[in-house]
Amino acid sequence: GAVVSQHPSRVICKSGTSVKIECRSLDFQATTMFWYRQFPKQSLMLMATSNEGSKATYEQGVEKDKFLINHASLTLSTLTVTSAHPEDSSFYICSARGGQGGTSTDTQYFGPGTRLTVL
Amino acid sequence: QQQVKQSPQSLIVQKGGIPIINCAYENTAFDYFPWYQQFPGKGPALLIAIRPDVSEKKEGRFTISFNKSAKQFSLHIMDSQPGDSATYFCAARSGGYNKLIFGAGTRLAVHP
Repeated sequence: GAVVSQHPSRVICKSGTSVKIECRSLDFQATTMFWYRQFPKQSLMLMATSNEGSKATYEQGVEKDKFLINHASLTLSTLTVTSAHPEDSSFYICSARGGQGGTSTDTQYFGPGTRLTVL
Repeated sequence: QQQVKQSPQSLIVQKGGIPIINCAYENTAFDYFPWYQQFPGKGPALLIAIRPDVSEKKEGRFTISFNKSAKQFSLHIMDSQPGDSATYFCAARSGGYNKLIFGAGTRLAVHP
């Protein structure tokens, strides 16, 4: 149990285009999901907290118009990187907070990540 | 106040050795302390977690030791194997916000 998937696993796009990344909790419902960004050999940096049915809460320094987050259902959150530029190239990882289906409310379950490369 | 300091940055042990990774925090409002294991190109996977009212927790070859008064906690990996070679992150949860604050990570290499 507690499986979180992300799609796509890799994406390469041209500068100026928008890219959507999906995060799904496959066997449990998640009222709260989180989006992280990770640069090579660095730690995870929280970008935003996403609650189902409400607006996302962004961390300081994260541009909300640049990184659009939608948490439309209890099993799906999406991150859209708008007008992507090379500096947006990174590893994006989502997590879902447990609470149902045998999962723990204490725990964040992470997806496998999405490697974004902007040319 | 919100930081979690993790050391060492990297660690090399021989197979069968017991690597120890340490973390320290300042915020006494943290109420949950998980450890995650991450392989290259993959998302972090929960290894083991502890609450501050427990001094030690063991799951398989992984043990967390927790010192509430010193605001420190550590991960011990017993009988380490080459397959344990990965990056390990400690984290602390800010209870009121349910956010995880991650340490900088420790890259562990277990040599055969």
